[in-house]
Amino acid sequence: GENVEQHPSTLSVQEGDSAVIKCTYSDSASNYFPWYKQELGKRPQLIIDIRSNVGEKKDQRIAVTLNKTAKHFSLHITETQPEDSAVYFCAALLYQAGTALIFGKGTTLSVSS
Amino acid sequence: DSGVTQTPKHLITATGQRVTLRCSPRSGDLSVYWYQQSLDQGLQFLIQYYNGEERAKGNILERFSAQQFPDLHSELNLSSLELGDSALYFCASSLTGDANEQFFGPGTRLTVL
Repeated sequence: GENVEQHPSTLSVQEGDSAVIKCTYSDSASNYFPWYKQELGKRPQLIIDIRSNVGEKKDQRIAVTLNKTAKHFSLHITETQPEDSAVYFCAALLYQAGTALIFGKGTTLSVSS
Repeated sequence: DSGVTQTPKHLITATGQRVTLRCSPRSGDLSVYWYQQSLDQGLQFLIQYYNGEERAKGNILERFSAQQFPDLHSELNLSSLELGDSALYFCASSLTGDANEQFFGPGTRLTVL
Protein backbone atom coordinates (compact mmCIF):
# COMPACT_ATOMS: atom_id res chain seq x y z
CA GLY A 1 0.00 0.00 0.00
CA GLU A 2 0.92 3.64 0.10
CA ASN A 3 3.66 4.41 2.59
CA VAL A 4 6.31 6.85 3.74
CA GLU A 5 9.89 5.69 4.32
CA GLN A 6 12.02 7.68 6.76
CA HIS A 7 15.80 7.53 7.31
CA PRO A 8 17.78 7.31 9.45
CA SER A 9 15.93 5.76 12.38
CA THR A 10 18.46 7.23 14.83
CA LEU A 11 20.80 10.20 14.47
CA SER A 12 23.37 11.44 16.94
CA VAL A 13 25.09 14.80 16.45
CA GLN A 14 27.20 17.19 18.44
CA GLU A 15 25.71 20.50 19.52
CA GLY A 16 26.17 23.04 16.76
CA ASP A 17 26.25 20.46 13.95
CA SER A 18 23.55 20.09 11.31
CA ALA A 19 21.08 17.22 11.14
CA VAL A 20 19.29 15.93 8.05
CA ILE A 21 16.37 13.51 7.97
CA LYS A 22 15.05 12.16 4.68
CA CYS A 23 11.68 10.74 3.66
CA THR A 24 10.34 9.19 0.49
CA TYR A 25 6.70 8.69 -0.38
CA SER A 26 4.86 6.58 -2.90
CA ASP A 27 1.64 8.47 -3.70
CA SER A 28 2.42 10.88 -6.55
CA ALA A 29 -0.82 12.74 -5.78
CA SER A 30 0.46 13.77 -2.34
CA ASN A 31 0.77 17.55 -2.07
CA TYR A 32 1.25 18.28 1.61
CA PHE A 33 4.25 17.21 3.71
CA PRO A 34 4.42 18.13 7.41
CA TRP A 35 7.10 17.39 9.97
CA TYR A 36 6.30 16.71 13.60
CA LYS A 37 8.54 16.75 16.67
CA GLN A 38 7.64 14.51 19.58
CA GLU A 39 9.38 14.76 22.93
CA LEU A 40 9.23 11.82 25.29
CA GLY A 41 5.72 11.33 26.64
CA LYS A 42 4.39 14.38 24.81
CA ARG A 43 2.14 15.02 21.84
CA PRO A 44 3.53 15.33 18.30
CA GLN A 45 3.94 19.01 17.48
CA LEU A 46 3.87 20.43 13.98
CA ILE A 47 7.19 22.21 13.40
CA ILE A 48 7.15 22.92 9.67
CA ASP A 49 5.27 21.86 6.57
CA ILE A 50 5.60 22.26 2.82
CA ARG A 51 3.18 22.06 -0.06
CA SER A 52 3.95 20.73 -3.51
CA ASN A 53 4.02 24.12 -5.20
CA VAL A 54 7.11 25.06 -3.18
CA GLY A 55 10.58 23.51 -3.32
CA GLU A 56 11.95 24.79 -0.03
CA LYS A 57 10.70 26.44 3.14
CA LYS A 58 12.68 27.86 6.07
CA ASP A 59 11.79 28.79 9.62
CA GLN A 60 14.80 29.98 11.61
CA ARG A 61 17.07 26.93 12.10
CA ILE A 62 14.68 24.53 10.40
CA ALA A 63 14.22 24.01 6.68
CA VAL A 64 12.39 21.50 4.54
CA THR A 65 13.11 20.69 0.90
CA LEU A 66 10.86 18.83 -1.51
CA ASN A 67 11.68 17.03 -4.75
CA LYS A 68 8.35 16.02 -6.29
CA THR A 69 9.93 14.31 -9.26
CA ALA A 70 11.94 12.00 -7.06
CA LYS A 71 9.16 11.86 -4.44
CA HIS A 72 11.35 12.71 -1.50
CA PHE A 73 11.56 15.48 1.07
CA SER A 74 14.04 16.31 3.81
CA LEU A 75 14.21 18.13 7.12
CA HIS A 76 17.34 20.15 7.83
CA ILE A 77 18.15 21.44 11.30
CA THR A 78 21.15 23.75 11.57
CA GLU A 79 23.11 24.75 14.69
CA THR A 80 21.53 21.94 16.67
CA GLN A 81 20.91 22.39 20.39
CA PRO A 82 20.27 19.81 23.14
CA GLU A 83 16.61 20.83 23.20
CA ASP A 84 16.31 19.62 19.60
CA SER A 85 16.66 16.07 20.95
CA ALA A 86 13.35 14.31 20.20
CA VAL A 87 11.69 11.95 17.74
CA TYR A 88 10.93 13.56 14.39
CA PHE A 89 8.19 12.24 12.11
CA CYS A 90 7.64 13.09 8.49
CA ALA A 91 4.25 12.60 6.87
CA ALA A 92 2.60 12.80 3.48
CA LEU A 93 -1.01 13.47 2.63
CA LEU A 94 -2.57 10.41 1.06
CA TYR A 95 -5.67 10.65 -1.09
CA GLN A 96 -7.76 7.52 -0.80
CA ALA A 97 -11.53 7.93 -0.55
CA GLY A 98 -10.91 10.94 1.64
CA THR A 99 -7.55 12.10 2.90
CA ALA A 100 -5.17 10.92 5.56
CA LEU A 101 -1.68 11.72 6.76
CA ILE A 102 0.64 8.75 6.49
CA PHE A 103 3.58 8.98 8.86
CA GLY A 104 7.12 7.70 8.59
CA LYS A 105 8.37 5.55 11.45
CA GLY A 106 10.31 8.37 13.04
CA THR A 107 13.92 9.44 13.62
CA THR A 108 15.31 9.69 17.14
CA LEU A 109 17.64 12.69 17.16
CA SER A 110 20.12 13.00 20.01
CA VAL A 111 22.12 16.21 20.34
CA SER A 112 24.99 16.01 22.80
CA SER A 113 26.69 19.04 24.28
CA ASP B 1 -1.03 23.57 24.32
CA SER B 2 -2.62 22.75 20.95
CA GLY B 3 -6.21 23.37 22.06
CA VAL B 4 -7.15 19.72 21.49
CA THR B 5 -8.21 17.92 24.66
CA GLN B 6 -8.39 14.22 25.36
CA THR B 7 -9.72 12.25 28.31
CA PRO B 8 -8.80 10.22 30.17
CA LYS B 9 -5.04 10.67 30.32
CA HIS B 10 -4.43 7.11 31.44
CA LEU B 11 -6.60 4.02 31.29
CA ILE B 12 -5.81 0.60 32.71
CA THR B 13 -8.15 -2.25 31.96
CA ALA B 14 -8.28 -6.00 31.44
CA THR B 15 -8.41 -8.12 28.31
CA GLY B 16 -11.90 -8.55 26.90
CA GLN B 17 -13.11 -5.22 28.24
CA ARG B 18 -14.46 -2.20 26.37
CA VAL B 19 -13.30 1.40 26.78
CA THR B 20 -14.22 4.79 25.35
CA LEU B 21 -11.71 7.54 24.65
CA ARG B 22 -12.90 11.09 24.23
CA CYS B 23 -11.55 13.99 22.19
CA SER B 24 -12.56 17.63 21.85
CA PRO B 25 -11.09 19.42 18.83
CA ARG B 26 -9.72 22.96 18.74
CA SER B 27 -12.41 25.60 18.60
CA GLY B 28 -13.54 25.98 14.99
CA ASP B 29 -11.96 22.76 13.72
CA LEU B 30 -14.39 20.47 11.91
CA SER B 31 -12.19 17.40 11.43
CA VAL B 32 -11.05 14.88 14.00
CA TYR B 33 -8.49 12.16 13.41
CA TRP B 34 -7.57 9.20 15.59
CA TYR B 35 -4.10 7.66 15.67
CA GLN B 36 -2.58 4.74 17.52
CA GLN B 37 1.06 4.92 18.59
CA SER B 38 2.80 1.82 19.81
CA LEU B 39 6.53 1.43 20.41
CA ASP B 40 7.31 -0.44 17.23
CA GLN B 41 4.68 0.95 14.87
CA GLY B 42 5.00 4.72 14.98
CA LEU B 43 1.85 6.74 14.36
CA GLN B 44 -0.86 4.67 12.68
CA PHE B 45 -3.85 6.50 11.25
CA LEU B 46 -7.11 4.91 12.36
CA ILE B 47 -10.02 7.03 11.20
CA GLN B 48 -11.11 10.57 10.33
CA TYR B 49 -14.41 12.35 10.87
CA TYR B 50 -15.40 15.62 9.25
CA ASN B 51 -18.41 17.56 10.51
CA GLY B 52 -20.02 14.42 11.89
CA GLU B 53 -19.39 12.13 8.94
CA GLU B 54 -16.72 9.47 8.47
CA ARG B 55 -14.23 10.85 5.94
CA ALA B 56 -11.32 8.42 5.74
CA LYS B 57 -10.46 5.07 7.21
CA GLY B 58 -7.03 3.66 7.93
CA ASN B 59 -5.84 0.59 9.76
CA ILE B 60 -8.74 0.44 12.17
CA LEU B 61 -9.71 -2.96 13.54
CA GLU B 62 -13.32 -4.11 13.39
CA ARG B 63 -13.30 -4.20 17.21
CA PHE B 64 -12.74 -0.43 17.16
CA SER B 65 -15.32 2.18 16.21
CA ALA B 66 -15.62 5.92 16.41
CA GLN B 67 -18.12 8.70 16.00
CA GLN B 68 -18.25 12.47 15.94
CA PHE B 69 -21.12 14.20 17.67
CA PRO B 70 -23.03 17.39 16.67
CA ASP B 71 -20.85 19.45 19.04
CA LEU B 72 -17.85 18.02 17.09
CA HIS B 73 -16.31 16.08 19.95
CA SER B 74 -15.39 12.53 19.06
CA GLU B 75 -15.24 9.21 20.83
CA LEU B 76 -13.17 6.16 20.00
CA ASN B 77 -14.61 2.90 21.27
CA LEU B 78 -12.31 -0.08 21.72
CA SER B 79 -13.91 -3.45 22.51
CA SER B 80 -12.80 -7.01 23.21
CA LEU B 81 -9.47 -5.54 24.23
CA GLU B 82 -6.28 -7.54 23.72
CA LEU B 83 -2.83 -7.09 25.20
CA GLY B 84 -1.63 -5.77 21.85
CA ASP B 85 -4.07 -2.87 22.00
CA SER B 86 -1.92 -1.27 24.70
CA ALA B 87 -0.69 1.96 23.14
CA LEU B 88 -0.94 5.73 23.13
CA TYR B 89 -4.07 6.91 21.34
CA PHE B 90 -3.89 10.40 19.92
CA CYS B 91 -6.63 12.56 18.57
CA ALA B 92 -5.83 15.41 16.19
CA SER B 93 -8.00 18.09 14.66
CA SER B 94 -7.86 20.34 11.63
CA LEU B 95 -9.95 23.19 10.31
CA THR B 96 -11.10 21.44 7.15
CA GLY B 97 -11.52 17.89 5.93
CA ASP B 98 -8.40 17.69 3.81
CA ALA B 99 -6.06 16.63 6.61
CA ASN B 100 -3.77 19.67 6.37
CA GLU B 101 -2.25 21.19 9.52
CA GLN B 102 -3.34 18.69 12.11
CA PHE B 103 -2.91 19.58 15.77
CA PHE B 104 -2.57 16.76 18.24
CA GLY B 105 -4.07 16.30 21.67
CA PRO B 106 -2.05 15.06 24.66
CA GLY B 107 -3.05 11.43 24.09
CA THR B 108 -4.61 8.66 26.17
CA ARG B 109 -2.29 5.92 27.36
CA LEU B 110 -4.16 2.63 27.33
CA THR B 111 -2.75 -0.32 29.21
CA VAL B 112 -4.46 -3.69 28.80
CA LEU B 113 -3.49 -6.25 31.44
